[in-house]
Amino acid sequence: EVQLVESGGGLVQPGGSLRLSCAASGFTFSIHWMHWVRQAPGKGLVWVSRINRDGSNTNYADFVKGRFTISRDNAKNTLYLQMNSLRAEDTAVYYCARDIGYYDSSGYYYSHFDFWGQGTLVTVSS
Amino acid sequence: SYELTQPPSVSVSPGQTARITCSGDALPKEYAYWYQQKPGQAPVLVIYKDSERPSGIPERFSGSSSGTTATLTISGVQAEDEADYYCQSADSSGTYSEVVFGGGTKLTVL
Repeated sequence: EVQLVESGGGLVQPGGSLRLSCAASGFTFSIHWMHWVRQAPGKGLVWVSRINRDGSNTNYADFVKGRFTISRDNAKNTLYLQMNSLRAEDTAVYYCARDIGYYDSSGYYYSHFDFWGQGTLVTVSS
Repeated sequence: SYELTQPPSVSVSPGQTARITCSGDALPKEYAYWYQQKPGQAPVLVIYKDSERPSGIPERFSGSSSGTTATLTISGVQAEDEADYYCQSADSSGTYSEVVFGGGTKLTVL
C-alpha cells in the first residue's frame, strides 16, 4: 500500500525555520518525482516545489524561491522541505505528493499527482 | 503568471448532472487534471489527461476539453460527491513546466 506521511509541522515565529519530512513506503520512491503542495486555511491548493528522481533538478514557486529548499534521500525513502525566513502567509497545510508525469517531445516534464499524504500544518505567528 | 479559472461553487440535486469548468489560455495544448478533496482529507485524482479515469474512480466521473475550457462532468450525482474539486494543468511558457491549480469549485449536493 502506498503511503506518504508528512511530519515536522508546528508553530513557528515569523523569520523562523522548519524542516518538513515526508516518509514514503509501499512503492519504489527513487523512480518518482516528488512535490510539496500547500493549502492555506479555507483556501485552495498551491504548488510549492518539486524534485526529480535523483535530486539533481529542483523547481520552486516564485513566492518561496530563496527561502525554501526541497531535497530527498532515496536511501531513506524520504522527501524534505527546509523552510527558512517564514512569513505569516506561509501558514498552511503542507502536502507531499507523488508525481506520475511524463516528458514530452520538447523535453519538458509535465507533472500530475496520484497519491498525496495527509499533510502537516505549519503555523507562522508571533 | 498563468491562471486557471473555476467557478467558486456549483449546486445540483442528487441524480442530476454536475459540470465544473476550468478555463485557461494554455488548455488547447496542455492536459487538464482533476482532483476531489473532501473536508479534512487529502486530494484524490479523479481525471487525468483531460478524460482518463484512474482505476477505482466511479464511471460517473468523466472529463473533456475543448479550446480553452476543460470540463469535469459527474453524472447521477450522489451525496458522497459533495466536495471541493480542483483542476490542474501546466505553464510551460518558461524554462520548465510549472504546476498550476485552479482556485477550486465547491460542489454542493442539495
